[in-house]
Amino acid sequence: EAQVTQNPRYLITVTGKKLTVTCSQNMNHEYMSWYRQDPGLGLRQIYYSMNVEVTDKGDVPEGYKVSRKEKRNFPLILESPSPNQTSLYFCASSFSSQARAGANVLTFGAGSRLTVL
Amino acid sequence: KQEVTQIPAALSVPEGENLVLNCSFTDSAIYNLQWFRQDPGKGLTSLLLIQSSQREQTSGRLNASLDKSSGRSTLYIAASQPGDSATYLCAVINAGKSTFGDGTTLTVKP
Repeated sequence: EAQVTQNPRYLITVTGKKLTVTCSQNMNHEYMSWYRQDPGLGLRQIYYSMNVEVTDKGDVPEGYKVSRKEKRNFPLILESPSPNQTSLYFCASSFSSQARAGANVLTFGAGSRLTVL
Repeated sequence: KQEVTQIPAALSVPEGENLVLNCSFTDSAIYNLQWFRQDPGKGLTSLLLIQSSQREQTSGRLNASLDKSSGRSTLYIAASQPGDSATYLCAVINAGKSTFGDGTTLTVKP
């Protein structure tokens, strides 16, 4: 089944304890992105990647790091989490070519709910 | 910076009614516009994607239109059902960059 898989789905941690949220897709998509969703602020893009070793900042990149060493994986790293990073996080992926059927259709993971105490 | 606005923020209709959700964006240099559905506490499900060269897309009871020149898209839902109750989000996509609206929360009453 074609899907985007995020882990963990739920996590409670403490301020300053480094954590990584993994994202993996099995559709050979070039594009991958991370978002956070907060009540009253909607869904905001954190980082995105256009291909292996190519990443760029979204609208709210502060406090986050990403890497894209393999095409299928795009982990989100919180080096020193703070309570304001408590949120629902989503990973998504898509094809890049306009010529392909389904191109640019964003496919989302199920979400990771993170609480930082 | 791209800004996406969805109006109304909430909508309540009786079952069977046809309805229109609105999405407007400030920068017409877009690749695609995608409509999603999100149920409470759940992920996003893609409904329709309109490429920048297209004017509309249809899937079942859903029809989405795109007018780049005016910076607007609409999602038309025909013969609404209680199962259509959810939050509907539009996203403007420009290569890897995407900007979402805050959504319209739809309630369809039996």
